[in-house]
Amino acid sequence: DSGVTQTPKHLITATGQRVTLRCSPRSGDLSVYWYQQSLDQGLQFLIQYYNGEERAKGNILERFSAQQFPDLHSELNLSSLELGDSALYFCASSAGTGFYTGELFFGEGSRLTVL
Amino acid sequence: ELKVEQNPLFLSMQEGKNYTIYCNYSTTSDRLYWYRQDPGKSLESLFVLLSNGAVKQEGRLMASLDTKARLSTLHITAAVHDLSATYFCAVKLVTSGSRLTFGEGTQLTVNP
Repeated sequence: DSGVTQTPKHLITATGQRVTLRCSPRSGDLSVYWYQQSLDQGLQFLIQYYNGEERAKGNILERFSAQQFPDLHSELNLSSLELGDSALYFCASSAGTGFYTGELFFGEGSRLTVL
Repeated sequence: ELKVEQNPLFLSMQEGKNYTIYCNYSTTSDRLYWYRQDPGKSLESLFVLLSNGAVKQEGRLMASLDTKARLSTLHITAAVHDLSATYFCAVKLVTSGSRLTFGEGTQLTVNP
């Protein structure tokens, strides 16, 4: 158990809908990362927050947004869902945000299926 | 843009055999991580390599880092079925802060 908690574990929804994925980082970690894992794209970095502020942005679609709250949990909002958004969405956390920050610890993931 | 490439992408081996997975990356870095993923599961950290020449071993797995060649290897000794999983390497750049860029993953199947 990495200490990173993600909910829901599974989610099935229809095209055009909106969903919210939630992540609670390990106790004491200030950074939260979101990654998307799909069969054709592999593990893609979406976005990082550090202590409530956006720190880095990767291949995140405009239809997707995220935030980190004062209690450090994070939410990833996915809207106008398309079939191609079906994937496993991972949250990870780390203590800091710099290059010398240690490893990332990953949650169990949220599997999104868009029908 | 940093590119991280693993090979092979698929590896089927017999129990008891040895093999090596290679991870090449395109931009200088001395921060390399190996993760294991079982089907549909989370990523489990295996090794953290933090300098040129670093070598770490855990059980039947040994990882090494050559920053000059921009190459890391994950060596499997006397494979057992329990090692069947997908193995990812990931690289961190100074210019990218703490985020990791992952390779495509190597799907390892160990057959009895």
